[in-house]
Amino acid sequence: NAGVTQTPKFQVLKTGQSMTLQCAQDMNHNSMYWYRQDPGMGLRLIYYSASEGTTDKGEVPNGYNVSRLNKREFSLRLESAAPSQTSVYFCASSGGRFGFGSPLHFGNGTRLTVT
Amino acid sequence: SQQGEEDPQALSIQEGENATMNCSYKTSINNLQWYRQNSGRGLVHLILIRSNEREKHSGRLRVTLDTSKKSSSLLITASRAADTASYFCATDAQGGSEKLVFGKGTKLTVNP
Repeated sequence: NAGVTQTPKFQVLKTGQSMTLQCAQDMNHNSMYWYRQDPGMGLRLIYYSASEGTTDKGEVPNGYNVSRLNKREFSLRLESAAPSQTSVYFCASSGGRFGFGSPLHFGNGTRLTVT
Repeated sequence: SQQGEEDPQALSIQEGENATMNCSYKTSINNLQWYRQNSGRGLVHLILIRSNEREKHSGRLRVTLDTSKKSSSLLITASRAADTASYFCATDAQGGSEKLVFGKGTKLTVNP
């Protein structure tokens, strides 16, 4: 059982380049999330999708866009990468909505460096 | 902005000892969750405690919740080297946007 799969695992970009981080889950979960993790900052929510066809901003959405392609897949796009976006990005999914006690299942992260 | 704040930031103990980590939060919550993160990996859900619960157990884990003090603690008994990881609390605020917000974590090192 794969759970949540993120690709790529590592990426180095130059300032101004674009890329898409891919995430897929095989647990038939409704909700999916993108977080970033920086040293000393914990995890911060970038975007989330409560169900297929809907997306909402989190705490730090600027510089990012998302697409909930279908129930399984939720991608994160950086249109013009900046050094401040150097971080570890985690995708997660849950069977229910926030606030209803659904645990999140995380992928193993994408380590992005922007030079 | 962070809702939960873990304390201490780092904790180093010997194998067999108990480890206690604390989490404080600012607003009323529906539930509080604890997660573990091994180095280089994603977070793994450990335990969830609802706002109307005061204590919960799972194996060697014991979680307490004090809503009057807006705080929770995670106790790991008889720790093992394999418990070395970072531990995060996560809360969702009542009546708000219902987003799950993570603290900055406690880095636990269990020495063999």
